[in-house]
Amino acid sequence: DVKVTQSSRYLVKRTGEKVFLECVQDMDHENMFWYRQDPGLGLRLIYFSYDVKMKEKGDIPEGYSVSREKKERFSLILESASTNQTSMYLCASRGDRAGSQETQYFGPGTRLLVL
Amino acid sequence: QKEVEQDPGPLSVPEGAIVSLNCTYSNSAFQYFMWYRQYSRKGPELLMYTYSSGNKEDGRFTAQVDKSSKYISLFIRDSQPSDSATYLCAMSVNDYKLSFGAGTTVTVRA
Repeated sequence: DVKVTQSSRYLVKRTGEKVFLECVQDMDHENMFWYRQDPGLGLRLIYFSYDVKMKEKGDIPEGYSVSREKKERFSLILESASTNQTSMYLCASRGDRAGSQETQYFGPGTRLLVL
Repeated sequence: QKEVEQDPGPLSVPEGAIVSLNCTYSNSAFQYFMWYRQYSRKGPELLMYTYSSGNKEDGRFTAQVDKSSKYISLFIRDSQPSDSATYLCAMSVNDYKLSFGAGTTVTVRA
């Protein structure tokens, strides 16, 4: 079974703090994704990575950055947390087998509250 | 206008009823269609995966895609309390980047 783990289930931070969210997958997947999930808006893609040290902006990258130094680990960084970044953050990973209908496997999520 | 529209509900049905969920979309290039189920305080998990138009059945679950109408559906037969969850539709042009609906919260009453 694919396992995607996220470092924290709940986090409370103050406005202006630098926040690190960590995600680790154990299936040697090439692709990893960060989403945020808000009521009424569904999941929105923040950043994704298709290889080590590679990253691409998603639909809402402003205020976020990412790091992928190792294949299994993908970090989301909030450089200076703001209250409008209070949200559920979901990490996902996906394999890259040619010709397959791969799906994204999600972690349990980190619920972040910025005060 | 959102690329993928999904009625957030909530939807409450008695045990044994048929649950009908649907999404509409605006991007005619979408070819891959998925339904995810998300239990409270958990991440989404894939329920159904369909490529292009047509129907797909898996146990009590049936997914339908009508590309001419830009409309997808998920039916749950003989619903159980354990089906209570949020159901998210997702779709993609290239089977890579996904566009999600807002999710529909379903409660099946025992």
